[in-house]
Amino acid sequence: EVQLVESGGGLVQPGGSLRLSCAASGFTFSSYWMSWVRQAPGKGLEWVANIKQDGSEKYYVDSVKGRFTISRDNAKNSLYLQMNSLRAEDTAVYYCARDPGYSSLFFDYWGQGTLVTVSS
Amino acid sequence: QSVLTQPPSVSGAPGQRVTISCTGSSSNIGAGYDVHWYQQLPGTAPKLLIYGNSNRPSGVPDRFSGSKSGTSASLAITGLQAEDEADYYCQSYDSSHVVFGGGTKLTVL
Repeated sequence: EVQLVESGGGLVQPGGSLRLSCAASGFTFSSYWMSWVRQAPGKGLEWVANIKQDGSEKYYVDSVKGRFTISRDNAKNSLYLQMNSLRAEDTAVYYCARDPGYSSLFFDYWGQGTLVTVSS
Repeated sequence: QSVLTQPPSVSGAPGQRVTISCTGSSSNIGAGYDVHWYQQLPGTAPKLLIYGNSNRPSGVPDRFSGSKSGTSASLAITGLQAEDEADYYCQSYDSSHVVFGGGTKLTVL
């Protein structure tokens, strides 16, 4: 059974940093692109970043470029999101999601999410 | 302001048919990129409902169907049930980024 379990969320002050983790199991993690998708309270979904199987390609939404870094450790079946210079508008539930690798990019499995709150 | 436009809300009575539209532009749906749909029940993570415009993952009832034409796509739900009450999101691709619609809240009357 495919499982994605996020952790690392919490309360952080504006300008602070946080590192999110996503533990994957039930599939060959190293064979899939992975993404982070966030959802602000009461709002819609927003794709944040994705990373290629070997980590050689990474893409970000403009609003987090230069502040967030996506990475992965295939030996540990884990995905990460390092978030620096956090702003109030980064407050959201952050989901990790798997791209099944069809001809177009979409997400077939999602984690339960971890809440990040940026507030003083 | 989302790149893909969805109606904020739709409603229908049990047993009825409802559709949710997703309107894009020539840089996303109109450029030939596929549209995918997700269902998000209250307090839970999104779940893939339709992929590649009209394909259902295993386990998704055939009451759910998707279509795409030009710069728009639609999700249709027939035989509406109480458990279909949820938020629905369309998703596509634009300028090297994944883009989502703003979401549609479906209310079963």
